[in-house]
Amino acid sequence: QVQLVQSGAEVKKPGASVKVSCKASGYTFSSYDITWVRQAPGQGLEWLGWISAYNGHTNYAQNLQGRVTLTTDTSTSTAYMELRNLKSDDTAVYYCARKVVPDHWGQGTLVTVSS
Amino acid sequence: EIVLTQSPGTLSLSPGERATLSCRASQSVTINYLAWYQQKPGQAPRLLIYGASSRATGIPDRFSGSGSGTDFTLTISRLEPEDFAVYYCQQYGASPYTFGLGTKLEIK
Repeated sequence: QVQLVQSGAEVKKPGASVKVSCKASGYTFSSYDITWVRQAPGQGLEWLGWISAYNGHTNYAQNLQGRVTLTTDTSTSTAYMELRNLKSDDTAVYYCARKVVPDHWGQGTLVTVSS
Repeated sequence: EIVLTQSPGTLSLSPGERATLSCRASQSVTINYLAWYQQKPGQAPRLLIYGASSRATGIPDRFSGSGSGTDFTLTISRLEPEDFAVYYCQQYGASPYTFGLGTKLEIK
C-alpha cells in the first residue's frame, strides 16, 4: 500500500534552517509529484509547492520563494523540504503528499520555531 | 492569486441530515480544477473530490461535488457520525494552489 513516512518533530531557533524528509513506498516514486502543505496550530492548510519526482521540476508558493527548496532522491524514494531563515510564524505541521492533487499524505512533521 | 471563500464557517447539523458546503473563487477556476478535502483532528487531510465533481478512490457516494467557474459545492447527502470534521476546498488550476479557510461541520 502507498505510504509516506515523514521525519520526526523539530525545534529550531529563529534564523535557523530545517529539512524535513518524506520516504515513499508502495508505488513507483518517480511516477508521481510530491506536494508539500503546512498547517499552523489551529489554522487552515497552506500550499507550499510541489516537485516532480520524475525530472525535479518545481513550483513554489511565491510568498516562500527564496526560503524553501524541494528536492527528491529517487535512489531512496525520499522527498525533502528545506526551509531557511525560520521565523516564529513558520511553526506548523508540515505534510508531504503524493500528486499535485494529493491522494496519499504523510503523517505530518511538527516544526516549532522558538527562541 | 485565487482567493477561495468557504461558507459557512461552521455548520451545525444532525446525523442523517443533508450538508451543503460552499466554496467561491475570486476568479474562474481553470478547467474546474477544484478539490475538496476532509480533515479530522490530529489527522492529515483526506481527498474527497477532484475536478469539482469526481470522487476520489474509496469515497462513499453520499459525498458529491458540483459547480463550475467560481462557485462550487460539496454535498453530503445523509450525514454519518464520522462525517463531522473540517472541510477544505483547493484550486489547482493556477499557481499558487490555494486553499479555502475551511468549513467546520459539527454535530448539532
